[in-house]
Amino acid sequence: LAKTTQPISMDSYEGQEVNITCSHNNIATNDYITWYQQFPSQGPRFIIQGYKTKVTNEVASLFIPADRKSSTLSLPRVSLSDTAVYYCLVGDRNTGRRALTFGSGTRLQVQP
Amino acid sequence: GAVVSQHPSWVICKSGTSVKIECRSLDFQATTMFWYRQFPKQSLMLMATSNEGSKATYEQGVEKDKFLINHASLTLSTLTVTSAHPEDSSFYICSATTGPSYEQYFGPGTRLTVT
Repeated sequence: LAKTTQPISMDSYEGQEVNITCSHNNIATNDYITWYQQFPSQGPRFIIQGYKTKVTNEVASLFIPADRKSSTLSLPRVSLSDTAVYYCLVGDRNTGRRALTFGSGTRLQVQP
Repeated sequence: GAVVSQHPSWVICKSGTSVKIECRSLDFQATTMFWYRQFPKQSLMLMATSNEGSKATYEQGVEKDKFLINHASLTLSTLTVTSAHPEDSSFYICSATTGPSYEQYFGPGTRLTVT
């Protein structure tokens, strides 16, 4: 499984756009990039998944350059409720295929 | 859809006792359930993989006689922590999937405190 590297923590203010970058230099051809969000004392929650270029949903955008060795999760206009840990995972498109390997994640703190 | 519940959400038990944590898939049949453990400020670590009707597969370093996993039905898996010690205090999270071609859905977690 490809190893991922993310910043340990980030700080932001309400209303700002937050970009969290994840490095995955050894990503395989068939790997997808999936981001999860975890609030304190809760299970992880799927945010977004992509293979290449750009993916957008109602929560976030995911930017993936052509070489796919990194990806950036973009959260538009964050609020206090976006304070959480964000995990970048690389692997099967279908996450049910095997147990997921979570890295250290990025702890986002949103200030008022 | 695709809701996974855990019960209890938190539990306190005395050292030496056993505690059972339930993981249920509410609106789908889960052929596979995964059990993770998360210590404060750390990431999720897989403990075991449980397939319905089969014995669970434990990760290296996880004592199968201490962490008993039962997946007797397609909607329920249980994790029993036997002879609990304070170092077993952690956040236990389960996830469930219908199969390898589907998604993995996480439960809300169970906070275990052993005194």
